[in-house]
Amino acid sequence: GDSVTQMEGPVTLSEEAFLTINCTYTATGYPSPFWYVQYPGEGLQLLLKATKADDKGSNKGFEATYRKETTSFHLEKGSVQVSDSAVYFCALATNTPLVFGKGTRLSVIA
Amino acid sequence: DTGVSQNPRHKITKRGQNVTFRCDPISEHNRLYWYRQTLGQGPEFLTYFQNEAQLEKSRLLSDRFSAERPKGSFSTLEIQRTEQGDSAMYLCASSLQPYEQYFGPGTRLTVT
Repeated sequence: GDSVTQMEGPVTLSEEAFLTINCTYTATGYPSPFWYVQYPGEGLQLLLKATKADDKGSNKGFEATYRKETTSFHLEKGSVQVSDSAVYFCALATNTPLVFGKGTRLSVIA
Repeated sequence: DTGVSQNPRHKITKRGQNVTFRCDPISEHNRLYWYRQTLGQGPEFLTYFQNEAQLEKSRLLSDRFSAERPKGSFSTLEIQRTEQGDSAMYLCASSLQPYEQYFGPGTRLTVT
């Protein structure tokens, strides 16, 4: 079945550092990738998405480009803030249910 | 847009008891999904509805789990004869389009 593999955490960065969280997948069909974020004590929030190959999704300074040739959707941010501390989930949809990675916990220290 | 709401937010129950959780989706969304999330893992799909029709239920974890969406609006997830292994966060999501799902805050179940 479809699966998502994302970089294991935890990841600890200093404020203003560059962030990359790797996400790769295996899937049949034409998947749509997503990134969700879960802040402490809150539910999952859709962070960004892509719908076709080479699409770049972006939101709140985060970006991810859907690379079909490498089956990847890596999340990046040029300068992280303490408020970005959260768990980030890569997810994939080929059929209706989403398939999630295990999540990557990010801690940003001042 | 009031978002997806779930009740209760926390439930503590004794092993063997039945529990029921409620999810109210975003009002114009016709699709509703249930997921389970255990510590350190991503959400795991359980079942989903399009309007009142339950279109996928083979991923429900056992026959102790059942879900309903009687009028195509809110949904309930019931777990009968709870076991300690059922302790988890139960998440509800809704969508208008098939893939862009919006999640509620979850119901945390603790079985003692």
